[in-house]
Amino acid sequence: AQSVTQLGSHVSVSEGALVLLRCNYSSSVPPYLFWYVQYPNQGLQLLLKYTTGATLVKGINGFEAEFKKSETSFHLTKPSAHMSDAAEYFCAVSGTGRRALTFGSGTRLQVQP
Amino acid sequence: GAGVSQTPSNKVTEKGKYVELRCDPISGHTALYWYRQSLGQGPEFLIYFQGTGAADDSGLPNDRFFAVRPEGSVSTLKIQRTERGDSAVYLCASSNRGASEDTQYFGPGTRLTVL
Repeated sequence: AQSVTQLGSHVSVSEGALVLLRCNYSSSVPPYLFWYVQYPNQGLQLLLKYTTGATLVKGINGFEAEFKKSETSFHLTKPSAHMSDAAEYFCAVSGTGRRALTFGSGTRLQVQP
Repeated sequence: GAGVSQTPSNKVTEKGKYVELRCDPISGHTALYWYRQSLGQGPEFLIYFQGTGAADDSGLPNDRFFAVRPEGSVSTLKIQRTERGDSAVYLCASSNRGASEDTQYFGPGTRLTVL
């Protein structure tokens, strides 16, 4: 069985501040981990993913995430928030033999001017 | 190129009615997924197709829900005897091979409202 926990349903940061969105997962098989972003009235867009290899993954729009197996975490970061980053962010997991994604409940990011 | 498209974008129906939701995946993608997203929640898996066959339908909540993909491209999600609890955004996604590590590309969704 797989599950994803996203700590903090709402996160508010100032423009230019560090963004940190937390994701912890549970998986009985080696996980593949994903971060998606959802803008209002739009579909989910992939930010980045971890499959194998380097544990620090860089994605679009300046976001990155680090897979830490010992902490079962895959936190999303961005050094400097921009107003356009305001959106809902979802962490998801899949694994060998499990094609479907299991999503967390999402974190809504607000960016204050 | 064209992404995943879904029609209609919005559907309002009455309790007890039958509805069909359509998904057009990215051309050439063999895998197609349906998810349901309730307000304030992450998407929940419903069913996964590899080609024409349903490879995993473990997420379908009950036998009122059914999906088909007869030619391995377009898929239709069918809901019989709709209930108010079926109100949600229904998302479709496709991926190239259907491998667990493949990126799933999502459509904009169909917002279903059951009155």
